[in-house]
Amino acid sequence: GAVVSQHPSRVICKSGTSVKIECRSLDFQATTMFWYRQFPKQSLMLMATSNEGSKATYEQGVEKDKFLINHASLTLSTLTVTSAHPEDSSFYICSARRGYSSYEQYFGPGTRLTVT
Amino acid sequence: GNSVTQMEGPVTLSEEAFLTINCTYTATGYPSLFWYVQYPGEGLQLLLKATKADDKGSNKGFEATYRKETTSFHLEKGSVQVSDSAVYFCALSRYNQGGKLIFGQGTELSVKP
Repeated sequence: GAVVSQHPSRVICKSGTSVKIECRSLDFQATTMFWYRQFPKQSLMLMATSNEGSKATYEQGVEKDKFLINHASLTLSTLTVTSAHPEDSSFYICSARRGYSSYEQYFGPGTRLTVT
Repeated sequence: GNSVTQMEGPVTLSEEAFLTINCTYTATGYPSLFWYVQYPGEGLQLLLKATKADDKGSNKGFEATYRKETTSFHLEKGSVQVSDSAVYFCALSRYNQGGKLIFGQGTELSVKP
């Protein structure tokens, strides 16, 4: 159990367009979902935390108007990169936490975004 | 603030060699500590965890002990296999911060036959 999926796994978009990435918890209800960004050969940088039904909490330095996060249900969160630019190209990873008392996060396989 | 520091990679070992990947942390209070593993092309998986001082986490032959006196959580394995080749991340979480994970920079391990 505790499987998290992401869709798409890879996406290429033109500069100036927007792209949406979905994160789903397949077999559990995720009270909290997290979005990370990972640069090549580097660690994961937390972008934002989202709780179902409430606004996301963004980490310092992350533009909330550029990276729109929606957590509409207990099994789905979306990250929309608006007006994408080449510097937004990265590997985006989501994770889901099951229950407020659990410390464990389950990670999705990631989405490779390339902006041309 | 809270932070995690790992030894730099890449680490290259021969099969059956002993592995140590160092991890130290800075945090107030009593964080939970984790090791995650990322195999090529896959998402992160929890390898092991420890939630209080002197706890030893273990899984798949890997183990790490939560040492509060040295603020360390070093990962060890007695005999590595080629299939252990991956990137290993040390991380901490503080319960009163909503479960947020703070990751170290990751250590790439390559095991040669």
